[in-house]
Amino acid sequence: KNQVEQSPQSLIILEGKNCTLQCNYTVSPFSNLRWYKQDTGRGPVSLTIMTFSENTKSNGRYTATLDADTKQSSLHITASQLSDSASYICVVTSGTYKYIFGTGTRLKVLA
Amino acid sequence: NAGVTQTPKFQVLKTGQSMTLQCAQDMNHEYMSWYRQDPGMGLRLIHYSVGAGITDQGEVPNGYNVSRSTTEDFPLRLLSAAPSQTSVYFCASSKQGMNSPLHFGNGTRLTVT
Repeated sequence: KNQVEQSPQSLIILEGKNCTLQCNYTVSPFSNLRWYKQDTGRGPVSLTIMTFSENTKSNGRYTATLDADTKQSSLHITASQLSDSASYICVVTSGTYKYIFGTGTRLKVLA
Repeated sequence: NAGVTQTPKFQVLKTGQSMTLQCAQDMNHEYMSWYRQDPGMGLRLIHYSVGAGITDQGEVPNGYNVSRSTTEDFPLRLLSAAPSQTSVYFCASSKQGMNSPLHFGNGTRLTVT
């Protein structure tokens, strides 16, 4: 069964600190892995999309890594800001339009 | 550039009522889809469309209908609302191609009493 699991479920950090969110997947066939940010009351917004051959991709203070051998991905947030408080969702694409969503990590950044 | 627009933002229905959730995009995207988001679960696909006149079922299609008469619009119809359909509904669209990002609307929060 295709599955995407994220950890931790929730995380609280102080402003300015770094953090890393994890995503493990068992999806076949694999097309790409995506990270989305979802602010409360809003729709998810794309942060990165990585294909099989990409190990790292950055978007500002967000850096995603992908290890296709171990089927793991991480999202690293550097120098966190209050505006980073959100849910972060890992999504694996199988084929062209089949998206398998993780349940997300809820991040709270405190001043 | 409006992106993906969903209306209404909030809706309360009584069991057995019907309604249509609207979704429109102005990016000329071929792919459009409807998801529901429930606490503790990942987004689940209800229906999707890869172009005007083409629709298909997703993971949880029961109780919902869709049509795609234009590229821009993809309405979701609830035929006879049930409390189990209480959820937040998101519409998403993308260009063709497996590496195109999904663009989401800001959701419709539906409560069925």
